[in-house]
Amino acid sequence: DGGITQSPKYLFRKEGQNVTLSCEQNLNHDAMYWYRQDPGQGLRLIYYSQIVNDFQKGDIAEGYSVSREKKESFPLTVTSAQKNPTAFYLCASSILLVGTDTQYFGPGTRLTVL
Amino acid sequence: QKEVEQNSGPLSVPEGAIASLNCTYSDRGSQSFFWYRQYSGKSPELIMFIYSNGDKEDGRFTAQLNKASQYVSLLIRDSQPSDSATYLCAVKRRNYGGSQGNLIFGKGTKLSVKP
Repeated sequence: DGGITQSPKYLFRKEGQNVTLSCEQNLNHDAMYWYRQDPGQGLRLIYYSQIVNDFQKGDIAEGYSVSREKKESFPLTVTSAQKNPTAFYLCASSILLVGTDTQYFGPGTRLTVL
Repeated sequence: QKEVEQNSGPLSVPEGAIASLNCTYSDRGSQSFFWYRQYSGKSPELIMFIYSNGDKEDGRFTAQLNKASQYVSLLIRDSQPSDSATYLCAVKRRNYGGSQGNLIFGKGTKLSVKP
């Protein structure tokens, strides 16, 4: 099956810990994205990557880090510097071609800080 | 002014009625517009995208775009209880750091279809 997978589905973190969220896609999409969603809020862009070994900050990158060593994978690390990390984290991917640049989402990871 | 604005709702319609969801955006140069549906606790799923002024129909869904007035709407005909969800409007940014494909999302409109 083609698609985007995220793991784990639920993640609990103690204050001061770094945690890494996994995102994998087998759609052969060029671009991958990480969003954060808080209750009653829209999605906010954390980081995005259009090509392997390259990525750019989104609107709320502070306290987060990413890597893009393979086209299929775009893991997100939530560091202890992120002051309010409890949220629903969504990974998305898209082809980079005008007219077909629709983003498709994975199932999400719900992170809770204890 | 927020970049993408939606009425948070809830919008309540009876089963079988037409649901009308609206979205306004601030960047007049925006080119691509998307509607996503998000069920509670789930990730967004694409319903439709629209690039040109006018209407675009797909089954019970019709997207309408008016670039002069900077609004995009989604009509759902013959609404069903299974359509009850939050509908997110997304607009593709123009010239965001020279890259493509970055979307700005509204906060969503919660739709409730009553049997």
